[in-house]
Amino acid sequence: DIVMTQSPDSLAVSLGERATINCKSSQSVLYSSNNKNSLVWYQQKPGQPPKLLIYWASTRESGVPDRFSGSGSGTDFTLTISSLQAEDVAVYYCQQYYTTPLTFGGGTKVEIK
Amino acid sequence: EVHLVESGGGLVQPGGSLRLSCGASGFTFSDHYMEWVRQPPGKGLEWVGRIRHKAHSYITEYAASVKGRFTISRDDSNNSLYLQMNSLKTEDTAVYYCVRNDYGRLDSWGQGTLVTVSS
Repeated sequence: DIVMTQSPDSLAVSLGERATINCKSSQSVLYSSNNKNSLVWYQQKPGQPPKLLIYWASTRESGVPDRFSGSGSGTDFTLTISSLQAEDVAVYYCQQYYTTPLTFGGGTKVEIK
Repeated sequence: EVHLVESGGGLVQPGGSLRLSCGASGFTFSDHYMEWVRQPPGKGLEWVGRIRHKAHSYITEYAASVKGRFTISRDDSNNSLYLQMNSLKTEDTAVYYCVRNDYGRLDSWGQGTLVTVSS
């Protein structure tokens, strides 16, 4: 199984400042047929299901604000919130869809400092 | 708009069975792989399993933790997804989400249904 490791576990950032979340996979999730990384990022607010933010490691889902961006390749990935807003308080998860079993990172809780 | 609604959750004793359902609307259900993902209270996300579409022979895949106990099925004529859970354990307690797979990414999630396994 591909193990997904997120860091940090939690993060407190001032409003308007940058938040950076890291995700590392135990093996490459680069899909050779299209040269894209099979990695997504979700946002989950309390009492709600996860919401897809980013897929193919760096493609923003429709309707997602452009302050959210994804980067990385192979085994190391980053989700960046360029200017944290109050509504961004949530838990963020990475997940690989390169192969089954689909596996998730442990989550990063983002709070306001 | 894609809409997924789970039902069938509740309290069940260890060793018991439960069948979850998921009704889908707003998209061509038969064109998509469908997934079940669960989340124990206060914890992270765990993939439960998948069912492919007809063109891929409705092949199912499961997490090791549920293989042999859980069965995923679908009824494309009724836009419905099912999760039959047998031999339930306390560690199966979780919110169970029905999720659409769109070319690999899990892009639409239901609100979830809570399954509690306890004596």
